[in-house]
Amino acid sequence: SQQGEEDPQALSIQEGENATMNCSYKTSINNLQWYRQNSGRGLVHLILIRSNEREKHSGRLRVTLDTSKKSSSLLITASRAADTASYFCATDAGGNTGGFKTIFGAGTRLFVKA
Amino acid sequence: DVKVTQSSRYLVKRTGEKVFLECVQDMDHENMFWYRQDPGLGLRLIYFSYDVKMKEKGDIPEGYSVSREKKERFSLILESASTNQTSMYLCASSRPRGEQYFGPGTRLTVT
Repeated sequence: SQQGEEDPQALSIQEGENATMNCSYKTSINNLQWYRQNSGRGLVHLILIRSNEREKHSGRLRVTLDTSKKSSSLLITASRAADTASYFCATDAGGNTGGFKTIFGAGTRLFVKA
Repeated sequence: DVKVTQSSRYLVKRTGEKVFLECVQDMDHENMFWYRQDPGLGLRLIYFSYDVKMKEKGDIPEGYSVSREKKERFSLILESASTNQTSMYLCASSRPRGEQYFGPGTRLTVT
């Protein structure tokens, strides 16, 4: 079962433009994370936002969280060709025996044209 | 520099073979995870472990088992490989509820 779902599934923009990706989730969360994956590679953590935070910045990345709407957005400003990758949101969920697991969405594929 | 390593980048196995995928992390993380990734389906959790010898099923555990005898090592076992287990397998580790660090992935082909 998927907790987070990204929108759009794919996005194509010109270099220099901003890219916005959205994530919706279903249940209460402790935190929400965004990851990036280059083709054929493992995922790399970008940013974590806690449930009591509304906005967070890291370089050209800006993440917002609206817990009332159960949604988050990732904004990449002044995009570069090197930003071409898939982007995933992930939320934490309690496991059955006490551990916590992270549930990933299907991802948004971003293509930045030079 | 934190590191998660996986035993193979590419693996080709025959149907019915027993397959071991190993993952090692050097960050003393409590949690370790195994995912599979298929086009259009994102990452799906197979199993995770939050302590040595502790394991919990994820969303798609059927056909898989895991072993965590030491904190740094988490193994995924395909008891009898089938063609529908052809996929990219990703291992990750984390502190409890923290960011996950991923290995480079193992692309497994079962013929």
